[in-house]
Parts: sequence; structure tokens; C-alpha cells
Amino acid sequence: EVQLVESGGGLVQPGGSLRLSCAASGFTFSDYSMNWVRQAPGKGLEWVSYISGASNIIYYADSMRGRFTISRDNAKNSLYLQMNSLRAEDTAVYYCARDRDKYSPYYFDLWGQGTPVTVSS
Amino acid sequence: QSVLTQPPSVSGAPGQRVTISCTGSSSNIGAGYDVHWYQQLPGTAPKLLMYGNINRPSGVPDRFSGSKSGTSASLAITGLQAEDEADYYCQSYDTSLSDVVFGGGTKLTVL
Repeated sequence: EVQLVESGGGLVQPGGSLRLSCAASGFTFSDYSMNWVRQAPGKGLEWVSYISGASNIIYYADSMRGRFTISRDNAKNSLYLQMNSLRAEDTAVYYCARDRDKYSPYYFDLWGQGTPVTVSS
Repeated sequence: QSVLTQPPSVSGAPGQRVTISCTGSSSNIGAGYDVHWYQQLPGTAPKLLMYGNINRPSGVPDRFSGSKSGTSASLAITGLQAEDEADYYCQSYDTSLSDVVFGGGTKLTVL
């Protein structure tokens, strides 16, 4: 079955760190670029970051650049998001999403179920 | 404030036709960037509904159609059904922000 499964979310204190993972299955992971997209409680969707299949092209949303790091391990069919210096406004459900473009974020044709992150003391 | 503007809510009776607008600017939709649409059923992850302005992924009923003109795009749903009740988001790219941008979302209520 073609699917994405996120994990690693949870409760973290402001200023803390968290590493999210996304396990891909059912397709050739290295052939696809990937993204992280988040959704704050009761709010809309917000793009976070993009990584190409070979990890040689990476983009971040302005508000996340410098604090978040996207990476992937194609041998493990896994995508990661290292989040540092977390703030209350980073509280959201984080989704990994497969991209249909090899060079820049385009559209997202497969989504995981999401992993919730809560930043609170 | 989202870069792409959508109505917060729309509604329609079963069998009716509704449209959801997505208004951008000359740095995103008006610059020629494609618009894509996602459907998010209550409590679930978003699902791709329309890509490249007018294309439906396999499995999406032809009751859903997309269009784009100038700095705006629209999603039309005909023959409204109860299971269409969901949040709908448009998405594009903004060259000024160098970011993927989403609309604020539209909640569709089937009366």
C-alpha cells in the first residue's frame, strides 16, 4: 500500500527540540521530492519545507529557516524534520507530503496522517 | 492573513452546484503559477483534489472541476453530496515570497 506514516510528535517546552519522522512505503521513495506541511489547531495549512529526492535541493518557509532542518535517508525510506528553538506558535499537526516536482515544491499528491506537536510549558 | 484569499464558508443543498474562489495577485496566480486544490474531511489529512488548475487525480469524481483566470482560480462542485462536506484549500507558489502559499480554507456545508 502506498502510504506515509509520521511519528515523533509530542509535548515539548518552549526553546526545546523535537525530531519528526515520516516512513514511506509502497513507492520508490528516492524518486520523489518530499515536503513538510503543518496545520495549527483550527487553522489552515502552512508549508514548512521541501527536499528533493537526492537531498541536493532544499527550501524552507521564511519563518522556519534557521530553526528547522529537513533531511531524508533513502536507504531507510524515511523523511525527517529536526525542529529546534521551538515556540508556542509552532504548535500544529505536522504532515509529510509527497511532491510531484523534482526541482521545487509544486503540488502534494500523497499525505501522511500527521503527527501533533505541542509547544507549551 | 493568507496570501491566497478564499471565502471562509460556502453552502448548498444536495444536488446543487457551488463554487469556491481563490484570489491571488500578480506574484502568484497572476504570475502564471498553477493552482492546486485539496479536500480535508473532518479529522483527516488533506487529500489532493485538483492539480495544475484543471486536472483531477484518478479517483476524484468529475463532479469536481477547476478553472483559472487572471489572478484567480475557482473550484466548482456539481451534484453536491453529503460526503462533500469538508474544508477546501487552494495552493500555489508566490515568487515574491519564494514560498508555497495556501488559501485560508473554505468550509463547505451541505444543507
